[in-house]
Amino acid sequence: EIVLTQSPATLSLSPGERATLSCGASQSVSSSYLAWYQQKPGLAPRLLIYDASSRATGIPDRFSGSGSGTDFTLTISRLEPEDFAVYYCQQYGSSPVTFGQGTKLEIK
Amino acid sequence: EVQLVESGGGLVQPGRSLRLSCAASGFTFDDYAMHWVRQAPGKGLEWVSGISWNSGSIGYADSVKGRFTISRDNAKNSLYLQMNSLRAEDTALYYCAKDVAAAHGYYFDYWGQGTLVTVSS
Repeated sequence: EIVLTQSPATLSLSPGERATLSCGASQSVSSSYLAWYQQKPGLAPRLLIYDASSRATGIPDRFSGSGSGTDFTLTISRLEPEDFAVYYCQQYGSSPVTFGQGTKLEIK
Repeated sequence: EVQLVESGGGLVQPGRSLRLSCAASGFTFDDYAMHWVRQAPGKGLEWVSGISWNSGSIGYADSVKGRFTISRDNAKNSLYLQMNSLRAEDTALYYCAKDVAAAHGYYFDYWGQGTLVTVSS
């Protein structure tokens, strides 16, 4: 199975700053089949990005995804207070689907 | 509005069984694959099992293969997870999640609120 490694484990930034979260795959992710989710405490994950770079319905354009092959990035251009959460990447290019271990984005 | 409501969680002893249910509404249930994803306390997300729209294709994580069985009843808009031979490491919040496609193995656009399973003596 494809192992996804997210970095950093924790990212400390201030509102208004730019956040860059990474997701590395142990082997190439077919067709850039990679998604990003946001999870806040006590809530279910929310889909942000699919197909590596397509924003899900209702997701603000400050969220963007990029990458292909084994290296993927989620960028939040200007952090809003509500963006501080845990972010997970997920690949669905090969079975079984797998998740990264998460990056916690915390307020500095 | 899409809603996924899980039920059936609770405290169970190791080796015993539990059946989870997920009631779906707000979309055409039999058009989509469905999944169970779990999250151990303080940990990340782990895909558990998925089932295609017509139950023709089913997949399991290695950690639950042979112990868990996923099923669905399209007439009742419901998804199930029969969990047998439960272990302490199965303790987690179990989410029901909707796939974006009829065949399982894609990404998940809607999630329930989860039902907590605790395996302990």
